[in-house]
Amino acid sequence: DGGITQSPKYLFRKEGQNVTLSCEQNLNHDAMYWYRQDPGQGLRLIYYSQIVNDFQKGDIAEGYSVSREKKESFPLTVTSAQKNPTAFYLCASSPRVGYEQYFGPGTRLTVT
Amino acid sequence: AQSVAQPEDQVNVAEGNPLTVKCTYSVSGNPYLFWYVQYPNRGLQFLLKYITGDNLVKGSYGFEAEFNKSQTSFHLKKPSALVSDSALYFCAVLPEGRNTPLVFGKGTRLSVIA
Repeated sequence: DGGITQSPKYLFRKEGQNVTLSCEQNLNHDAMYWYRQDPGQGLRLIYYSQIVNDFQKGDIAEGYSVSREKKESFPLTVTSAQKNPTAFYLCASSPRVGYEQYFGPGTRLTVT
Repeated sequence: AQSVAQPEDQVNVAEGNPLTVKCTYSVSGNPYLFWYVQYPNRGLQFLLKYITGDNLVKGSYGFEAEFNKSQTSFHLKKPSALVSDSALYFCAVLPEGRNTPLVFGKGTRLSVIA
């Protein structure tokens, strides 16, 4: 988990509210990623960014948005359009896309 | 498109016995292969990777993995399991060219019983 921080560790929101998850890295990596983890479904890619001011949709981008204004930061917003937002969210980074990824400790989001 | 299969959702092994967690892949060209481990409510930790060279790769915590090109497999192994090895294990693959994020399998839960 070293070098990548995610906050908060646990997050609770009411349905209909947008919520932003934080991800910061001090590894000087160009690429950053957001994954969603649900029991029995492994990791599913939401968005990734190869460089500042650039990002691409992953497999399940609907209902999510991201920004990459700084190299160190890649926040994820879970919007009210996301039908089933309760999940464990993992942020990762790598020197460039296509390299070994390093993961943060995760944020568990519960929406009721 | 590249994909990874972990055919076992759960593997149970007695402490001290050898363990194997299976992974097969489908990718164009020569693959890059990875194993990660996840403990409860934590992020994934890198265990080992195969890029090229020797088919037997040694990694962290006494784990190793064998790349078998003909069987398109990359099984994770350890000669003697510990209770502390109990965790969720993920296999991941990159295609030759390395221009995409890692593609992960669905994970295998390993339980080591004392």
